[in-house]
Amino acid sequence: GAVVSQHPSWVICKSGTSVKIECRSLDFQATTMFWYRQFPKQSLMLMATSNEGSKATYEQGVEKDKFLINHASLTLSTLTVTSAHPEDSSFYICSARIAGGRWGGELFFGEGSRLTVL
Amino acid sequence: AQSVTQLDSQVPVFEEAPVELRCNYSSSVSVYLFWYVQYPNQGLQLLLKYLSGSTLVKGINGFEAEFNKSQTSFHLRKPSVHISDTAEYFCVLGLSSGSARQLTFGSGTQLTVLP
Repeated sequence: GAVVSQHPSWVICKSGTSVKIECRSLDFQATTMFWYRQFPKQSLMLMATSNEGSKATYEQGVEKDKFLINHASLTLSTLTVTSAHPEDSSFYICSARIAGGRWGGELFFGEGSRLTVL
Repeated sequence: AQSVTQLDSQVPVFEEAPVELRCNYSSSVSVYLFWYVQYPNQGLQLLLKYLSGSTLVKGINGFEAEFNKSQTSFHLRKPSVHISDTAEYFCVLGLSSGSARQLTFGSGTQLTVLP
């Protein structure tokens, strides 16, 4: 089946630094990827839609200058948390669907990246 | 607007017992429904999906779900659970006329299988 890989799985950083999380579709092309945030024991919250070759679409309330998204190729999207603070600590998950696939096909999720900001 | 309600936040069950995780939805238009499983510190894995056709959907790991339009439900069932089924389960709704951006996630049900 289709595989989405995230890296790193875990990251600890100091407050004020920036952290980059990569999301790759390993065996398929993804024109669209989605970034979610998940707080402990809660559901997933969509942060933004990453579009290959164009600007990301952010959900209401998500700071685009804080969470920079780049979708440089059909297999890679990156989320950069800029000037991270402890409140940015969370589990970040990306997902993708196969390019050209009809809606209704499943989303493939990455393994998630746990960010802890000290 | 559409919504998904997972009626139980936690479901403890003994090994080899049957289990049902309940999911109700609300939508004025046609929907797609999914069940995903999340193991600790991992992403989500698709268990099964209902797009159209047969209302009884069989998925991986022995799980199945039945789409009931009149009761607006999509309950997940397994006749005999294993310790390894311990995980968080999410019921997810999508609009057939919408996009993947418009997925609605349920709040999740923590299934704990006891020895």
